[in-house]
Amino acid sequence: DAMVIQNPRYQVTQFGKPVTLSCSQTLNHNVMYWYQQKSSQAPKLLFHYYDKDFNNEADTPDNFQSRRPNTSFCFLDIRSPGLGDAAMYLCATSSGQGTETQYFGPGTRLLVL
Amino acid sequence: AQSVTQLDSQVPVFEEAPVELRCNYSSSVSVYLFWYVQYPNQGLQLLLKYLSGSTLVKGINGFEAEFNKSQTSFHLRKPSVHISDTAEYFCALRQTGAQKLVFGQGTRLTINP
Repeated sequence: DAMVIQNPRYQVTQFGKPVTLSCSQTLNHNVMYWYQQKSSQAPKLLFHYYDKDFNNEADTPDNFQSRRPNTSFCFLDIRSPGLGDAAMYLCATSSGQGTETQYFGPGTRLLVL
Repeated sequence: AQSVTQLDSQVPVFEEAPVELRCNYSSSVSVYLFWYVQYPNQGLQLLLKYLSGSTLVKGINGFEAEFNKSQTSFHLRKPSVHISDTAEYFCALRQTGAQKLVFGQGTRLTINP
């Protein structure tokens, strides 16, 4: 039944150590998004892929990168995590057409030590 | 530029009482409006959405919302809440033709027995 799957649910990394978060979807949607949600704040869009086209938000730090090797998978790479990058990372998908809804995964909570 | 303002950061109510969570938005172009619910340590689940047509929108779990264009509001209501409704609620907009969801800061709904 799972539609948007995120692994792992909890990730602990060390300051400066690269980390990769994973998202997969069974909806065959064209668009995949990555949001960052810090404690008690609203989700904030980092970037999204429309098919293979990467769309970065203007204020997303260079430290954050993404890869989408195929329709089903999308990865978030944090090259050198800082303490301020500790957050919940949410993956979402949509069909990319008209009035479509975004469907969210359960999120990965990242802790930086 | 577009924005979403949720007027209450916290709303405590007693079980079986009615509740209204307020949301105002600002946009220079037409928008789609959404309410999402987030339970602790989970992703976002869509409650309801307004795309066009009838201004009263019914969603899951007994929630409904009314789109008011003149007041640029999209308030969420439920006539009788349950303990299980305790969660964070986010109002969001998406401009027509755009992919990005813009979220409000969230309202924490606490149900007291």
